[in-house]
Parts: sequence; structure tokens; C-alpha cells
Amino acid sequence: GDSVTQMEGPVTLSEEAFLTINCTYTATGYPSLFWYVQYPGEGLQLLLKATKADDKGSNKGFEATYRKETTSFHLEKGSVQVSDSAVYFCALSETRANQAGTALIFGKGTTLSVSS
Amino acid sequence: KAGVTQTPRYLIKTRGQQVTLSCSPISGHRSVSWYQQTPGQGLQFLFEYFSETQRNKGNFPGRFSGRQFSNSRSEMNVSTLELGDSALYLCASSLARVTDTQYFGPGTRLTVL
Repeated sequence: GDSVTQMEGPVTLSEEAFLTINCTYTATGYPSLFWYVQYPGEGLQLLLKATKADDKGSNKGFEATYRKETTSFHLEKGSVQVSDSAVYFCALSETRANQAGTALIFGKGTTLSVSS
Repeated sequence: KAGVTQTPRYLIKTRGQQVTLSCSPISGHRSVSWYQQTPGQGLQFLFEYFSETQRNKGNFPGRFSGRQFSNSRSEMNVSTLELGDSALYLCASSLARVTDTQYFGPGTRLTVL
């Protein structure tokens, strides 16, 4: 079945450092790809998404490009802030044969800790 | 526009009991999905409802069930609770299509003693 693999954390950075969190996927169809962020004690917030190959999603300085040839959707930010400290989840929308609905398949999550 | 709301936020139950969790989607959203989040298994899909019908189901035992009402509000029920059911249960709503973004609620933290 479909799956998502993302780099293990925790990732510890100093403020203003460059961030990359790797995410690769396996899928039989053409899924949409997402990055969600979870702050302590809260639910998931959509950070960005891409619905087809070569699309670039961006939000709040974060970017990710849907790379079909490498089945990847790596998250990047040029200069992280302390407020970016959270858990980041890569996900894909699983498309199932004969079903109109969708399920999100998540990676294990990567904890980011940014210090000042 | 109000976000996804879930009630209650916290629950403590004992083994063998049953529990019902509630989710109110964003106004206009017709699809509601449920996910279980645990430290060991991460985020796992439980089921999805659309127009009061279960449209998609994850790999969970029959003790986990749900339903959706005509106003799109959804409930999930877990019967005969086990210690391993302790988790954060997240509800997400979306418009309808496969590519629509899912918006998550804050979750219900269930502890089974």
C-alpha cells in the first residue's frame, strides 16, 4: 500500500539556520502531498500542499516541491525561528480504487527544536 | 469561519467501558475523517464519512465505529476499551473531493486505565 517515509528527528537548529526535512513516498496512483505541523498540545495544522508533479507549495517561508521522478516532497525553510519549533508531518492522500473518499497516510513525524 | 471542534477534549475511562467522541466540522464541509495518534504507531486513519455514509475505512477492529448525522456532525464510538486505545483522537473535515484539504480539530485525549 501507499506509504510515507520522513527523516527521523529530532532536528536541532539555531535561529536563522536553514532547514530541510526529507520526505519520500510510495504510491500506486497520483496522490496529493501535504505538510502538516503540530504544536504542543494542539491538533494538526496544514502548512502547505501540492496536488500534482512539479507543483511547489509554500507558506510562512516554508516550501516543498512535488518531485515525481524522485518520489519526494522535502520541506525547506531558509531561516528558521524559535516559533517554528514543532512536529512536522509529511502526508499523502491515498486514492483507493472504487472509492471516492480519501485517507491521509502520514509519516512518523519529525520534531524540530530551534534555539535562540 | 469556525474551525473543527471536538468534544470532550479529555477523557479518562477504565478497561471494558465504552466511549463516544464528537466532532463538528467546518460549516459547509461534508466529509469527516477520524485518526488515531499514538507515540508508537503515529497517525493512523480510522474511517471517513460523507453524507452520512462510511466512504472509507482503515485497518481497525470492529470495536471502533462511527456515524455521521445529516448536519455533517460525526461521532465515533469505541466499545470494550483496552489499554492500547489510549491515544489522541483527531477529527478532520473537508469539502468532498479526494484532493480537498483536510482541516483538523484539536483532538480528544483518551486515557484508558
